[in-house]
Amino acid sequence: ETGVTQSPTHLIKTRGQQVTLRCSSQSGHNTVSWYQQALGQGPQFIFQYYREEENGRGNFPPRFSGLQFPNYSSELNVNALELDDSALYLCASSWDRGQGGYTFGSGTRLTVV
Amino acid sequence: GIQVEQSPPDLILQEGANSTLRCNFSDSVNNLQWFHQNPWGQLINLFYIPSGTKQNGRLSATTVATERYSLLYISSSQTTDSGVYFCAALSGGSEKLVFGKGTKLTVNP
Repeated sequence: ETGVTQSPTHLIKTRGQQVTLRCSSQSGHNTVSWYQQALGQGPQFIFQYYREEENGRGNFPPRFSGLQFPNYSSELNVNALELDDSALYLCASSWDRGQGGYTFGSGTRLTVV
Repeated sequence: GIQVEQSPPDLILQEGANSTLRCNFSDSVNNLQWFHQNPWGQLINLFYIPSGTKQNGRLSATTVATERYSLLYISSSQTTDSGVYFCAALSGGSEKLVFGKGTKLTVNP
């Protein structure tokens, strides 16, 4: 059974650019959640996808958007990057919106300059 | 929404010592997990424990759901136990796993 994989591991972007982060969920999981973790803080919920539909959103602006594909992998897109978007982005997958707990990937560290 | 508080914020131990980390939560939970974040940022799932007691090697956890707290016990600590430990909870009807601010553990040789 494969775990949650994220790509890329590191990324440097310029303010105003757009970025796409990718996540492959653990085998058998149909739910993917995305979190943003700023330095020294706990992860903050961005949104969740369940069976290809958005199933809840945290306090993030619309320039944060996502997709979930039929194989339950997911993308996080961020438009018009700002310096404050620099953070570790974590993807977590689970069965049926959290049944049995969430498994996290290793994250993508995004730096906006 | 649910609030999650962890204590202590920082903990420094000598190798071989035991420790207890606490997590208080403000509402009933469907999901409570303990994670260890390694220096590379990965959140390693330690326990899924909305209630009861579990043990895995030197680590064990207890959640008393009726009193809204969970404890993580680390026995015979090793330098590799260093890192940040997070408690995260999900309450009924919510899709959002809410994290505490973490406990930063440093184990010195």
